[in-house]
Amino acid sequence: NAGVTQTPKFQVLKTGQSMTLQCAQDMNHNSMYWYRQDPGMGLRLIYYSASEGTTDKGEVPNGYNVSRLNKREFSLRLESAAPSQTSVYFCASSELYEQYFGPGTRLTVT
Amino acid sequence: EDQVTQSPEALRLQEGESSSLNCSYTVSGLRGLFWYRQDPGKGPEFLFTLYSAGEEKEKERLKATLTKKESFLHITAPKPEDSATYLCAVQAENYGQNFVFGPGTRLSVLP
Repeated sequence: NAGVTQTPKFQVLKTGQSMTLQCAQDMNHNSMYWYRQDPGMGLRLIYYSASEGTTDKGEVPNGYNVSRLNKREFSLRLESAAPSQTSVYFCASSELYEQYFGPGTRLTVT
Repeated sequence: EDQVTQSPEALRLQEGESSSLNCSYTVSGLRGLFWYRQDPGKGPEFLFTLYSAGEEKEKERLKATLTKKESFLHITAPKPEDSATYLCAVQAENYGQNFVFGPGTRLSVLP
């Protein structure tokens, strides 16, 4: 089992560019999440999906969109990247309350 | 406002020197409190879930406890490989699927 996988591992964007972060899990979990982690601020929830076909906003959704493609995959899209979106992005999945995280994507927006 | 705080921000221990990390929370309707370990450049790794005051969980040199206002992660006779950032998170009744994470405690264990 690979657990939770994320691509890419690193990305540099210019302001205004768009990109999609990919996440997949092989644990047959219903719930999936996208977080961002910034120094001194802890993990903050961007969006989550409680089940296939549903998505909901978290604490910091502005500037992001998500797609729950199927039970395995949950993608995060930045339509017009801004320097404030420079961060490390983590995807997670869970069946109940115990979350399993991917290795993260380090994104820099210049 | 619901809050999760952790102290200390950073902690340096000598190998074998036991200590505790604190996670304080102000939420109503706690569903669960979670501890994670995060190594540099990696995603958080799940350690424990605590559901009610008085509950304790143990794993190797780590022991997590929970009261109505805080949780402690006790580290007994730590080794250098215990060096990591330890995160706590809470899930509450009015959160839906949302989790609120604390900022973490960065632990360094020196040989």
